[in-house]
Amino acid sequence: GIQVEQSPPDLILQEGANSTLRCNFSDSVNNLQWFHQNPWGQLINLFYIPSGTKQNGRLSATTVATERYSLLYISSSQTTDSGVYFCAVERSYNNNDMRFGAGTRLTVKP
Amino acid sequence: DAGVTQSPTHLIKTRGQQVTLRCSPKSGHDTVSWYQQALGQGPQFIFQYYEEEERQRGNFPDRFSGHQFPNYSSELNVNALLLGDSALYLCASSRTNTDTQYFGPGTRLTVL
Repeated sequence: GIQVEQSPPDLILQEGANSTLRCNFSDSVNNLQWFHQNPWGQLINLFYIPSGTKQNGRLSATTVATERYSLLYISSSQTTDSGVYFCAVERSYNNNDMRFGAGTRLTVKP
Repeated sequence: DAGVTQSPTHLIKTRGQQVTLRCSPKSGHDTVSWYQQALGQGPQFIFQYYEEEERQRGNFPDRFSGHQFPNYSSELNVNALLLGDSALYLCASSRTNTDTQYFGPGTRLTVL
């Protein structure tokens, strides 16, 4: 099946710093989403981005489908950005099985 | 506009018992997917329901079964519970022919 690899696994930042999270995937996809999981377990949709670039406030994401990777940028990080960030993909020929990476655990210190 | 809701929030069972988890999709959504998330890992796809039928299934044993009702709500049943079934169970909903899934808050199951 499709492999999804996220890096780095852990990231510790000071408040105000910028960061880049990466997601590599091993096959063509027709759906890619970024999620933030808060300490209570809730998965929050950040971006639906199978290709191209999107921005939402301090967050932005870019997916280069032909090279099979996606990047999530967090600028001017805040302590509330702490949590685990997941990338999830669905394969082009099977759009019912969303595969998640292992996540990047972000800790933002005040 | 209510989001995806799940019940119960927490559940403690013993080995061999059976459990039923419930999910109500976001308004306007007709497709429900279930995921299992073990501690420290990403969610794993269990199965998806659409039009009251299981449309796709992940690599989970037959002890895991589900149902979707005419109002699009769904249940996840797990029989003969094992210690390894302890996890956060997440429900996600989406609309037909769209790919964006929205997740509920999850049910944390502990098997003793």
